[in-house]
Order: sequence, then C-alpha cells, then structure tokens
Amino acid sequence: NAGVTQTPKFRVLKTGQSMTLLCAQDMNHEYMYWYRQDPGMGLRLIHYSVGEGTTAKGEVPDGYNVSRLKKQNFLLGLESAAPSQTSVYFCASSSDRGRSYEQYFGPGTRLTVT
Amino acid sequence: AQSVTQLGSHVSVSEGALVLLRCNYSSSVPPYLFWYVQYPNQGLQLLLKYTTGATLVKGINGFEAEFKKSETSFHLTKPSAHMSDAAEYFCAVSPPGRGYQKVTFGTGTKLQVIP
Repeated sequence: NAGVTQTPKFRVLKTGQSMTLLCAQDMNHEYMYWYRQDPGMGLRLIHYSVGEGTTAKGEVPDGYNVSRLKKQNFLLGLESAAPSQTSVYFCASSSDRGRSYEQYFGPGTRLTVT
Repeated sequence: AQSVTQLGSHVSVSEGALVLLRCNYSSSVPPYLFWYVQYPNQGLQLLLKYTTGATLVKGINGFEAEFKKSETSFHLTKPSAHMSDAAEYFCAVSPPGRGYQKVTFGTGTKLQVIP
C-alpha cells in the first residue's frame, strides 16, 4: 500500500496564478483532510470531507476550494494564489473502522507564492 | 471547544537522557489524545494515542504517555533519548466517538538530541 500520496511535492507560483494539489489514498478511508503547516502555528485545517461528493470548511478555508469526486481522491485548489498562501500543505485520511481514529498523512507539498 | 498547549517550542536533551515533552489540553468532554512525530521533510505519523481504558499508553520507538484527567495533561516521555529521536512532536486532541471529529493540533515541540 502506498498510503497517502500528494502531487506535486514542490511548486512555485506567482501571485494570481492558480493550481490544484492532488491527494490520493489507497486505504478506502471515508474521511479526508487538507491542512496547512506554518512555523509556530502547528497544523490548521483548511477543508475536509466525510465521504465521496461531500466537503466542508475547516478553520482556514478562505482562498481555497476542494472537491472529492472519487472516494480515494481529494483535490485542493487555489484560484488566485497570494503570498499568504506560502506554506506546506498536508493531506490526511482516516477511518472509523477498527476504532482507529488515527489520521494518516501524506508527505506534503511545499508551495511558495512570489 | 477544545485546545492544546505544548510547553516549549524547542527542547534539547543529551543522548541517553530522559525525554519529557509536555502537553496540556482543554476540552468540554473527555477527549481522545494523540502524539504525532514529524521527521524533517516528511508528513506526520502516529506515535501513540489514548481513547479509553488504561491511562498509560505505550507507542512506537519506546515512547509512552500518561493521560492525567485531574491535571488535563498528556505528557510524552522516553527513558533514554536516541539521536534518531530528533524530530518535531505534535500533541493533538479530538472529541470522542465515531464519525467525523475535529482534531486540534498543538503548535509542536522540536526535539534536539545532543551527542
């Protein structure tokens, strides 16, 4: 099993450009999440999904959109990138099966907006 | 509402010394508690968790943590630090139960191990 994978690993954007980050999981997990990690601030939840076709806002959703058309994929979009969106983005997934409650994280995408 | 406080953004210990990383939480209900570790340029991975039952939980790599309800704490310990323990550690809390439950992460503690 590959677990949780993220594409791309690195990206540099200019202000105003758009991009999509792809997250894929092969564990058949119901729940998927997008976080951003900034120095000294821990992880902050951007958006999450409790199942295919459903998404919801997290703590810091402004400037981002998401879609979950397939259970295994969760896409994060930036329509018009801003320097404040320079961050490391992590996707995670989890399941209630086996009462695990653990979140499994991808390796991250380092995004720089100039 | 729930929150997590990790005391000390940076902790340095000598190789072979005790590791103690502090975590205090605030929650309106008895929570689930987690410690995650992040090695450089990697995602987070679970070290250990407390959901119900025994309050002293053991995790991977010799780490353990004790849930103390009266102190609202979940401190992480390891008797003898190893160079490979150098990483950033995150404490996290969530409400109990099935279904989606919001996880709140602390701001992290970077552990440095000195040879």
